[in-house]
Amino acid sequence: AQKVTQAQTEISVVEKEDVTLDCVYETRDTTYYLFWYKQPPSGELVFLIRRNSFDEQNEISGRYSWNFQKSTSSFNFTITASQVVDSAVYFCALSEASGGGADGLTFGKGTHLIIQP
Amino acid sequence: DGGITQSPKYLFRKEGQNVTLSCEQNLNHDAMYWYRQDPGQGLRLIYYSQIVNDFQKGDIAEGYSVSREKKESFPLTVTSAQKNPTAFYLCASTNGYFTGELFFGEGSRLTVL
Repeated sequence: AQKVTQAQTEISVVEKEDVTLDCVYETRDTTYYLFWYKQPPSGELVFLIRRNSFDEQNEISGRYSWNFQKSTSSFNFTITASQVVDSAVYFCALSEASGGGADGLTFGKGTHLIIQP
Repeated sequence: DGGITQSPKYLFRKEGQNVTLSCEQNLNHDAMYWYRQDPGQGLRLIYYSQIVNDFQKGDIAEGYSVSREKKESFPLTVTSAQKNPTAFYLCASTNGYFTGELFFGEGSRLTVL
């Protein structure tokens, strides 16, 4: 069975600090996708990134970067020079190729990130 | 603008009453989903639908019902059989199944008094 673990329930840092959100996943499939979503206080989940299981190249988008390591089944998310607007709940999610993925994504329990001014 | 509209945003109901949450999308997506979010629990799948007039139970379907009569609409009914219905409900859609991102609505917060 697929599973996503976000061990950090809540993280609080001071603005401008770097912060890393951890995500560990379990799957028997060799083909799968990993996602990160942001949920601001308004409630709507916002898509941040998608990564397929064959592409371990790290990705950087502005202050955001993602580290995908199949050897440790991890897909960690780092925010550099954090800002108050980064405060949100962040979800890691997994989708497997088996079954076509028609039943959507499996989400972790989320990490509540608090950026203090 | 294309997107997903959920209504109402806030809803209160008395115990024993059924309530229906609306979800409409104009993204022309085939697949639609309902998730339930509880504090510290992440998102759990209630029901999903891949095409019109077809839907499947998710992990926590008991006490809920859905319909998919139109491609753009996927309403969720929370019945009186749902023992703990107070939660935040999110509707989503995609055309990409396992490869595509899910697009989410802003959610509906249901409180049972």
